[in-house]
Amino acid sequence: GENVEQHPSTLSVQEGDSAVIKCTYSDSASNYFPWYKQELGKGPQLIIDIRSNVGEKKDQRIAVTLNKTAKHFSLHITETQPEDSAVYFCAASNMKTSYDKVIFGPGTSLSVIP
Amino acid sequence: NAGVTQTPKFQVLKTGQSMTLQCAQDMNHEYMSWYRQDPGMGLRLIHYSVGAGITDQGEVPNGYNVSRSTTEDFPLRLLSAAPSQTSVYFCASSYSPGKNSPLHFGNGTRLTVT
Repeated sequence: GENVEQHPSTLSVQEGDSAVIKCTYSDSASNYFPWYKQELGKGPQLIIDIRSNVGEKKDQRIAVTLNKTAKHFSLHITETQPEDSAVYFCAASNMKTSYDKVIFGPGTSLSVIP
Repeated sequence: NAGVTQTPKFQVLKTGQSMTLQCAQDMNHEYMSWYRQDPGMGLRLIHYSVGAGITDQGEVPNGYNVSRSTTEDFPLRLLSAAPSQTSVYFCASSYSPGKNSPLHFGNGTRLTVT
């Protein structure tokens, strides 16, 4: 089955700097890669996603890149702000065979220092 | 529109006790699922349902039962609680299985088994 690895497990950055979180997946058939943000005491919330037919996607300060050949995908946050502090999860799935069975990485705890 | 509602928020059980974690969604989502979140292990799928009357096992189904009698509700039952089931449990739903629709999470139930 699918396995998703995520690095780093913790990340501290100064406010205004960029943050990068990297993930790898094992199943070459995976075709959908969402990113979720979890604030303290709450459930994860989708912040951006990318499909396998796209190499990059941006939404304001957030961008995701996908390298299908290497089975890598990354989350980039620019001009970080204290409210970006949270746990971030990457995930992968194959919507053709697994319905919405999404496999999550172990998470990255991001701290933005004012 | 409340989204995904989980009750209770906190629960303490003794080994061997049984209980039901409740999950309800008001978005008319076909797909519902249960995850457990443990430190360093991300979110692991316990059970999922692609519609009323249909359930299936995820990665870690042992010790848990589910049923889906209505579109709105997807309770998770622990028949005989064990300390290994101490975790934070999240219910999630999405619009349609087989499509790249995002998961909507509840705010979780923190369960401690002593």
